[in-house]
Amino acid sequence: RKEVEQDPGPFNVPEGATVAFNCTYSNSASQSFFWYRQDCRKEPKLLMSVYSSGNEDGRFTAQLNRASQYISLLIRDSKLSDSATYLCVVNLQIAGGTSYGKLTFGQGTILTVHP
Amino acid sequence: ETGVTQSPTHLIKTRGQQVTLRCSSQSGHNTVSWYQQALGQGPQFIFQYYREEENGRGNFPPRFSGLQFPNYSSELNVNALELDDSALYLCASSTLSGGRLYEQYFGPGTRLTVT
Repeated sequence: RKEVEQDPGPFNVPEGATVAFNCTYSNSASQSFFWYRQDCRKEPKLLMSVYSSGNEDGRFTAQLNRASQYISLLIRDSKLSDSATYLCVVNLQIAGGTSYGKLTFGQGTILTVHP
Repeated sequence: ETGVTQSPTHLIKTRGQQVTLRCSSQSGHNTVSWYQQALGQGPQFIFQYYREEENGRGNFPPRFSGLQFPNYSSELNVNALELDDSALYLCASSTLSGGRLYEQYFGPGTRLTVT
């Protein structure tokens, strides 16, 4: 089983649509959660952190369910500029001599927003 | 922009050769992580450097090694290049403090092609 699994997509939606991405993770010790966005042949960019209480940033809403080990991202009123690959990311903090954080990425879901 | 820079942008090497990739972290960050992203996949964690020492490593062979310098910049070295090493190499800088690793911000990446 993959450590982080996402909807395979791709998602192809019209402008103005609402789209939801889902993600599950396997390691219950995971400590922090993120959504990154990656444009074609570019680096991943942090979209938002995800908290158990849920958080919203404009048209974007992220939710975390620790019991189900499930993360979601909702995009409302989709824009053409939202077209990108969305990466679900989990940070497993490894405790040791000096703890470190290992980001584990899902495979990504491609979103295309069309006129 | 994240303030994380990487060089070179693109590189073509021959199988068996060695390569060094460079990363300058964002001002104020003390930790650098390196990731390998093959085409169509999410980034895979290679290792992390903190206080000039490797403090965490993913599932990569010893021919992948690195350095971190007093100014927190970093190098990734790959020996005995193989065709499968062709990928986008990303570095991410962040802050490790109080046992917690804060959000990681990525540089633009180095695209390595091994022929």
